[in-house]
Amino acid sequence: DAGVTQSPTHLIKTRGQHVTLRCSPISGHKSVSWYQQVLGQGPQFIFQYYEKEERGRGNFPDRFSARQFPNYSSELNVNALLLGDSALYLCASSWQGLGNQPQHFGDGTRLSIL
Amino acid sequence: DQQVKQNSPSLSVQEGRISILNCDYTNSMFDYFLWYKKYPAEGPTFLISISSIKDKNEDGRFTVFLNKSAKHLSLHIVPSQPGDSAVYFCAASDTGGGNKLTFGTGTQLKVEL
Repeated sequence: DAGVTQSPTHLIKTRGQHVTLRCSPISGHKSVSWYQQVLGQGPQFIFQYYEKEERGRGNFPDRFSARQFPNYSSELNVNALLLGDSALYLCASSWQGLGNQPQHFGDGTRLSIL
Repeated sequence: DQQVKQNSPSLSVQEGRISILNCDYTNSMFDYFLWYKKYPAEGPTFLISISSIKDKNEDGRFTVFLNKSAKHLSLHIVPSQPGDSAVYFCAASDTGGGNKLTFGTGTQLKVEL
């Protein structure tokens, strides 16, 4: 069975540009969450979506936005990119998005800002 | 404010011996805990979880222990194998607040032959 898939795997952008990252959850999973991981740190929560509705938002600026589509796939958008946005962006899916269900991660998108 | 802490950045263990990875948390609202393993260039892989109503959960070579009064959990791997060499992340969630995971900074485990 296919796991969580993310695209692209790598991306290079310059400051001020915007970027869209994509995620397809495990088949049957209805919840998608996004995390940012910078070098030497653990992943940090950005957003959770369930049934196309935002369920949670982490401590990130409004430049970060996301949405979930009827097929449960999701996009993360980041506007006005800063050097500090360079990170690994991880998508995770779970069945119903409940707190006692493990989340399963994709391999991430490595975003580099020049 | 680091709510989940893994104070050992690295751990080296001989093949066949026990690996013990530790994690401390400060938020008393956390009631579900997970361990993930991460290889370079891959996403974190779920290993094992434990609810706060339990103090132990076992799955094959992996056992997680939870001490709620000390706000401490540990992951035991027995016997350790070279393929277990990876970064291990402890994560916690408050199940009443969605499924947001708060991660520690990870422990690099190296299992030597």
